[in-house]
Amino acid sequence: ETGVTQSPTHLIKTRGQQVTLRCSSQSGHNTVSWYQQALGQGPQFIFQYYREEENGRGNFPPRFSGLQFPNYSSELNVNALELDDSALYLCASSLRQMNTEAFFGQGTRLTVV
Amino acid sequence: AQTVTQSQPEMSVQEAETVTLSCTYDTSENNYYLFWYKQPPSRQMILVIRQEAYKQQNATENRFSVNFQKAAKSFSLKISDSQLGDTAMYFCAFMKHAGSGGSNYKLTFGKGTLLTVNP
Repeated sequence: ETGVTQSPTHLIKTRGQQVTLRCSSQSGHNTVSWYQQALGQGPQFIFQYYREEENGRGNFPPRFSGLQFPNYSSELNVNALELDDSALYLCASSLRQMNTEAFFGQGTRLTVV
Repeated sequence: AQTVTQSQPEMSVQEAETVTLSCTYDTSENNYYLFWYKQPPSRQMILVIRQEAYKQQNATENRFSVNFQKAAKSFSLKISDSQLGDTAMYFCAFMKHAGSGGSNYKLTFGKGTLLTVNP
């Protein structure tokens, strides 16, 4: 059984650029959630994907978008990067039926300069 | 909307001692889950313990136990026999019960408490 893996682990981008972060969910999990964790803060919910469709969204602008693929892996895309987008981005996977058992990846540290 | 408050930004404890981390929350929901997550320097969020609001009995996982006071909306974590490996950020989190309506199961986190276990 593989865990949740995220890539890349670290990334530096310039303001205005676009970025794609990737997440492979734990084997057998069909739900993926993305969170943004700013320095010194708790994670904030961005959105969730279930069976390839967005299944709820937090208070994030439309330039934050995502995809889920048939194998349940997922991407988080951020357009027109701003300095405040600098954060740790965490992916969590779960079985919808057991939604309290969320397993997190190690995150992608994004720095926008 | 739900809010989770952790009033202790940092705490420290001596190895083998007991420490309690505080958490309060605000919700109008009656059925929900509460969690404590640990985030070590490796950054991976690890579930420590989970409490279902409709269960009166406090959850326990080995050295970790909670004091769940539903009326007071309080959910503290007690770590007994603290170990050096317990050093980490600890986050309290809330999740609505699936039957409460809505189709997603987002976690709402507090700002965290940095726990340092000293040798």
